[in-house]
Amino acid sequence: EIVMTQSPATLSVSPGERATLSCRASQSVGSNLAWYQQRPGQAPRLLIYGASTRATGFPARFSGSGSGTEFTLTISSLQSEDFAVYYCQQYNNWPITFGQGTRLEIK
Amino acid sequence: QVQLVESGGGVVQPGGSLRLSCAASGFSFGTYGMHWVRQAPGKGLEWVAFIRYDGRDKYYADSVKGRFTISRDNSKNTLYLQMNSLRPEDTAVFYCAKDHAARPSNYFDPWGQGTLVTVSS
Repeated sequence: EIVMTQSPATLSVSPGERATLSCRASQSVGSNLAWYQQRPGQAPRLLIYGASTRATGFPARFSGSGSGTEFTLTISSLQSEDFAVYYCQQYNNWPITFGQGTRLEIK
Repeated sequence: QVQLVESGGGVVQPGGSLRLSCAASGFSFGTYGMHWVRQAPGKGLEWVAFIRYDGRDKYYADSVKGRFTISRDNSKNTLYLQMNSLRPEDTAVFYCAKDHAARPSNYFDPWGQGTLVTVSS
């Protein structure tokens, strides 16, 4: 099983600033990496797939990068609605696995 | 628009069974793979099971293999998860989720609102 490790567990950032979230895979997953946003009390929403393709409905301030084992989600200028938990997920191998999540909180 | 509505959650004793349903609408259900993903209270996401668009391929997480069975009825646009031999550690919100693309993609878009399963005596 591929283990996905996200860092940091919690990230405190001020509105308007940049946030950088990391995701590492225990073995290469190529570009088969997705990111999800989960707000409190809501279901997760697909944010990024193919490591860098933004899903419908998300603005350009969200970007994904990386390949192989190292991935990054960047939010260029944080808005109030961006404070949430973010999960990475690999879909290169069965079983599908998620990272443990990064909580993005207001500083 | 695409809609997924789960039902069937509730409180069940350890060792008991429960069947979850997910009613799909707004897309051609029979052409997409479907998944179940769960989230224990206050915890992260755990993928549970996948079924191919035609039901011929199924995959399971090791934690549920042999106890849970995923199935679908394309004539009713409905996905199911039969859960047997339930354990307290199965307590979670269970989400159904659609494969993003008609070709196998194995990332999820969208998700249903979830149904809570509580395993407790």
